[in-house]
Amino acid sequence: NAGVTQTPKFRILKIGQSMTLQCTQDMNHNYMYWYRQDPGMGLKLIYYSVGAGITDKGEVPNGYNVSRSTTEDFPLRLELAAPSQTSVYFCASSQTRSLHNEQFFGPGTRLTVL
Amino acid sequence: DQQVKQNSPSLSVQEGRISILNCDYTNSMFDYFLWYKKYPAEGPTFLISISSIKDKNEDGRFTVFLNKSAKHLSLHIVPSQPGDSAVYFCAGQTGANNLFFGTGTRLTVIP
Repeated sequence: NAGVTQTPKFRILKIGQSMTLQCTQDMNHNYMYWYRQDPGMGLKLIYYSVGAGITDKGEVPNGYNVSRSTTEDFPLRLELAAPSQTSVYFCASSQTRSLHNEQFFGPGTRLTVL
Repeated sequence: DQQVKQNSPSLSVQEGRISILNCDYTNSMFDYFLWYKKYPAEGPTFLISISSIKDKNEDGRFTVFLNKSAKHLSLHIVPSQPGDSAVYFCAGQTGANNLFFGTGTRLTVIP
């Protein structure tokens, strides 16, 4: 049981390039999330999904896209990378019916846009 | 608009003493509050939670207190251990199950 896995661990992009951050969970969780954490800041929600085929915007969705074709996978797409997207990105998942939303996080992807 | 605030970026405590981490919030609609712990180069891990209808929840060395009238919660760690050194995030949960995180407090427990 690997939990939530993310690839790659690190990436450097040039301005205007695109990339996909991968996220997979093996806990059969319906809910999945993408966050970004800027230096000295808390985590901010980019997008989330309540199940396969359903996605919705979080606090900071601009510049990103997501898809959820399976329960396990929730990739995050950056189409035109900008320096403002330099951050650490965390994927998380949680069960549908828990009283408190205990989210399980992956180890993160550190992205630098130059 | 920061709905959850942790005004102390860092805290140092001697091993064996009590650590108190504070958190303030502005959104009265939060129905749960959660504390997460984060080590470097890892994702956050869940530590303890409290329902908005409770004022205290305890789990071993960790206790969370909620003061709704002051919109304030705190995490107490007793006794503090060197392995507790990490960044602690407070988060408020809305009915939509989304979490709003504070900026974190870096706890250092000195042996």
